[in-house]
Amino acid sequence: GENVEQHPSTLSVQEGDSAVIKCTYSDSASNYFPWYKQELGKRPQLIIDIRSNVGEKKDQRIAVTLNKTAKHFSLHITETQPEDSAVYFCAPHFNDYKLSFGAGTTVTVRA
Amino acid sequence: NAGVTQTPKFQVLKTGQSMTLQCAQDMNQNSMYWYRQDPGMGLRLIYYSASEGTTDKGEVPNGYNVSRLNKREFSLRLESAAPSQTSVYFCASSVSNEQFFGPGTRLTVL
Repeated sequence: GENVEQHPSTLSVQEGDSAVIKCTYSDSASNYFPWYKQELGKRPQLIIDIRSNVGEKKDQRIAVTLNKTAKHFSLHITETQPEDSAVYFCAPHFNDYKLSFGAGTTVTVRA
Repeated sequence: NAGVTQTPKFQVLKTGQSMTLQCAQDMNQNSMYWYRQDPGMGLRLIYYSASEGTTDKGEVPNGYNVSRLNKREFSLRLESAAPSQTSVYFCASSVSNEQFFGPGTRLTVL
């Protein structure tokens, strides 16, 4: 199966600063690269995704960049706000039935 | 349109007891999944079902069984619960690769 690693495992940022989380994967066949956000006590929800034919995608303050050659993709959050405090997971895959999630990155935004 | 629903939300079992976690989706999708979530380990796939009548093992299937009752429902059964099965369990369905999760079941095995 896919070997997925996320870095860092925890990230503390000052409100208004940027946050970057990196996800590396092993399966070169992966063609779908999502990021999920899980707030405390809630279910994970998709916040942004990218497919292999695109290098970057933005949605307001969040963006995802993909480097297929190096097999990694990153989540970028700009102008962080307290509501960005959560655990973020990546889950790169090719086949919906061989889905592997990263271990998660806990982001804390300090006021 | 509730998406994915799960019952119960909380459950406490004693070692050796059995129980079934229920999951239903109203999105008319073929794919359904069961995950467990433990601190620091992300979401690990227990079983998945590509369509009604089919199920397959995921990363951590030992100690669990599943039933895809119909297109809407996918249940997870613990025949003889163990403390190592203390976890939060999520059911999910996928739409165009995106996973839609249920609210989760917090299970404690004493």
